[in-house]
Amino acid sequence: QKEVEQNSGPLSVPEGAIASLNCTYSDRGSQSFFWYRQYSGKSPELIMFIYSNGDKEDGRFTAQLNKASQYVSLLIRDSQPSDSATYLCAVSGGYQKVTFGIGTKLQVIP
Amino acid sequence: ETGVTQTPRHLVMGMTNKKSLKCEQHLGHNAMYWYKQSAKKPLELMFVYNFKEQTENNSVPSRFSPECPNSSHLFLHLHTLQPEDSALYLCASSVGTDNYEQYFGPGTRLTVT
Repeated sequence: QKEVEQNSGPLSVPEGAIASLNCTYSDRGSQSFFWYRQYSGKSPELIMFIYSNGDKEDGRFTAQLNKASQYVSLLIRDSQPSDSATYLCAVSGGYQKVTFGIGTKLQVIP
Repeated sequence: ETGVTQTPRHLVMGMTNKKSLKCEQHLGHNAMYWYKQSAKKPLELMFVYNFKEQTENNSVPSRFSPECPNSSHLFLHLHTLQPEDSALYLCASSVGTDNYEQYFGPGTRLTVT
């Protein structure tokens, strides 16, 4: 059973702080890694994807991948109340199989 | 219309009803997916279509019947559902099925009474 593990939270951070969201996965053959943001009552929205070890930055978001340790993380700098949402980690091991984690609920406190 | 659209957005149906969910993608993608999202559970993949051919049926009960007439349209036909089938049903699409990013529609909130 391929698994993607996330702490469901809630993770509370003050406005302006760095939010760090973590995800571990069990399938060593995983090749692609995605972060989705899901606001309450809405559908998941793709915000980052990463395929290679290291960091990938996009605005205030940085995705970090460490395949040896089988974890992927998402850093949100200068957190804003509008970042309050559930963040889903998704991992793909190849042909048409994307496994999602349960999501971490982030609360940014003004 | 842009992206992935779904209709209806909300649906209440009795256990003896028959209804259909519709999904349409305007992204030129070749793969489409149905997911079920229930509270406190990860997204559950139900069906995958690649170039309108079904390539995955993730042990879904036969009361859910998918249909994909072309690469842009996907349906989920529902009949004799159970209350535990109440959930958010999400459609997604991607360029292909190998490690590609998936883009989701707004979902259909289904309540079975």
